[in-house]
Amino acid sequence: QQQVKQSPQSLIVQKGGISIINCAYENTAFDYFPWYQQFPGKGPALLIAIRPDVSEKKEGRFTISFNKSAKQFSLHIMDSQPGDSATYFCAAITASTGANNLFFGTGTRLTVIP
Amino acid sequence: DAGVIQSPRHEVTEMGQEVTLRCKPISGHNSLFWYRQTMMRGLELLIYFNNNVPIDDSGMPEDRFSAKMPNASFSTLKIQPSEPRDSAVYFCASSPRGRNEKLFFGSGTQLSVL
Repeated sequence: QQQVKQSPQSLIVQKGGISIINCAYENTAFDYFPWYQQFPGKGPALLIAIRPDVSEKKEGRFTISFNKSAKQFSLHIMDSQPGDSATYFCAAITASTGANNLFFGTGTRLTVIP
Repeated sequence: DAGVIQSPRHEVTEMGQEVTLRCKPISGHNSLFWYRQTMMRGLELLIYFNNNVPIDDSGMPEDRFSAKMPNASFSTLKIQPSEPRDSAVYFCASSPRGRNEKLFFGSGTQLSVL
């Protein structure tokens, strides 16, 4: 059973546009929601993360929006650039208990067209 | 900091052969994870070590898979005998003490079993 459901599977955006990737979860015990970025031939790298006590977190062009009641969170990439082309994974974990299992979504392959 | 180092980057072997993947975590990190990535199943956690001790190996698919961490700076994942369905990218990741939500991944080993 997929603990974190991610959509879309792939996304094509024009340079300068907004990329939006959505994730949903069921386990209300999750208390940390990171996004990882993976370029071809590389391992995933932590991009940005949010805790459920805030509704939004912004770092540069990357923003996480979090809806606790709907159990959904999304990544917005503003002014998307060709260099943002990568696969993005959302994830969730119960960090406060020292849990070891970071549950990943299935990934979204983003292509930004020049 | 060199990051998490994995070797080899690519491994091509024949069915039935033994395969050993190697990982050097980031110095000072006390948790180590082995993940497998495939198109069909995404990122799967295979095994988790804390302070060199295996804590959770529930993700190890079969007895053909084994992992060791003889010291804080080295871990191996062994498949014996290998099968074509083991073909995947295997990632090692490490995390700082108490921060299992912040994983630092290596560049992975692309395994092809013919």
